[in-house]
Amino acid sequence: EIVMTQSPATLSVSPGERATLSCRASQSVSSNLAWYQQKPGQAPRLLIYGASTRATGIPARFSGSGSGTEFTLTISSLQSEDFAVYYCQQYNNWWTFGQGTKVEIK
Amino acid sequence: QVTLKESGPVLVKPTETLTLTCTVSGFSLSNARMGVSWIRQPPGKALEWLAHIFSNDEKSYSTSLKSRLTISKDTSKSQVVLTMTNMDPVDTATYYCARTSLGIASWFDPWGQGTLVTVSS
Repeated sequence: EIVMTQSPATLSVSPGERATLSCRASQSVSSNLAWYQQKPGQAPRLLIYGASTRATGIPARFSGSGSGTEFTLTISSLQSEDFAVYYCQQYNNWWTFGQGTKVEIK
Repeated sequence: QVTLKESGPVLVKPTETLTLTCTVSGFSLSNARMGVSWIRQPPGKALEWLAHIFSNDEKSYSTSLKSRLTISKDTSKSQVVLTMTNMDPVDTATYYCARTSLGIASWFDPWGQGTLVTVSS
């Protein structure tokens, strides 16, 4: 099973600042990596697939990069609605999720 | 518009079998490359993939839970059913279903709203 490790567990950021979230795979997943946003009481929402392609309706301030085992999600200028938990997921070998990064208001 | 909705019991007792239904709309379960997964999330914890069924009826299960899970579908009813045997309090979680649309190497989109299942005597 491919293990996904996210860091940090919690990220404290002020509105308007940049947030950088990391995700590492225990073995190569090529570009088969997705990012999801989850707000309290809601289902996860797809943000990024193919490591860097924004899903329909996702603002341009969200960007993804990386391939192989190292991936990054960047939120260029945090808005109030962006404070949430973010999960990475590999779909190269069945499916596994990271443990999540909580982005909180500083 | 593609939607998925989970349904099932809110409360189950330890050792009982859980049966959850995912009713989909806006696509057909028989369409090539379409599939549906079940994912769960214990309160305050991370997401865990459980099982997947493909359009050709092939199935895949989480290695750690394989012995307890069965996934099936009824295309005519647009439903995917998950059963989990021998429920335990640690299985308390919100259970989600989600669609894949590009075969095996595909992300989940969209997700259902989820259904919270509590395991308690």
